Amino acid sequence: DAMVIQNPRYQVTQFGKPVTLSCSQTLNHNVMYWYQQKSSQAPKLLFHYYDKDFNNEADTPDNFQSRRPNTSFCFLDIRSPGLGDAAMYLCATSRDDKSNQPQHFGDGTRLSIL
Amino acid sequence: GDSVTQMEGPVTLSEEAFLTINCTYTATGYPSLFWYVQYPGEGLQLLLKATKADDKGSNKGFEATYRKETTSFHLEKGSVQVSDSAVYFCAQRAHDYKLSFGAGTTVTVRA
Repeated sequence: DAMVIQNPRYQVTQFGKPVTLSCSQTLNHNVMYWYQQKSSQAPKLLFHYYDKDFNNEADTPDNFQSRRPNTSFCFLDIRSPGLGDAAMYLCATSRDDKSNQPQHFGDGTRLSIL
Repeated sequence: GDSVTQMEGPVTLSEEAFLTINCTYTATGYPSLFWYVQYPGEGLQLLLKATKADDKGSNKGFEATYRKETTSFHLEKGSVQVSDSAVYFCAQRAHDYKLSFGAGTTVTVRA
């Protein structure tokens, strides 16, 4: 009964080769988030969607983009991955943006860059 | 700005020992507070939460109480198991969509 599903769990790409990570949810939540987590660090928010409204964090590199074609799916596109983009990428959802609502995370996609 | 400070690890314990991980926060207003757990190679799982002062969150033997007077949300468990070995993140969510995470505390429980 997984609620936030990320595919694939492990992704290997080449330096500079575009890559797309996917996330789907069965919770029918309004908000979907993408985080980057490097080893031994807390997750860092890249951007989020509230419904179709996209909100980019100020320090997210232009190399990272996102699409949300419908309520259930959200994609993270890395246009030209560099070695520094190797990390775990976490998708999360929340019902809305009220402070008392927790975020529900997927198991993540671990991205390696060759 | 809003921030969370949690006890740095790593923490190593024997099975059945008592676990405390300290967490304090700074925020304007009254945030909701959360503890997340991350097992090796997995995403974050919500462990427990509290949304107002004096609320106690509890789950799987873990507890934390929202203390407004000390701006704290310390995590405790009376008797840890090997399966509790993980990284624990304290987090707050104040007036907008953002979760502010602490740095994480790695806990290792030895049999």
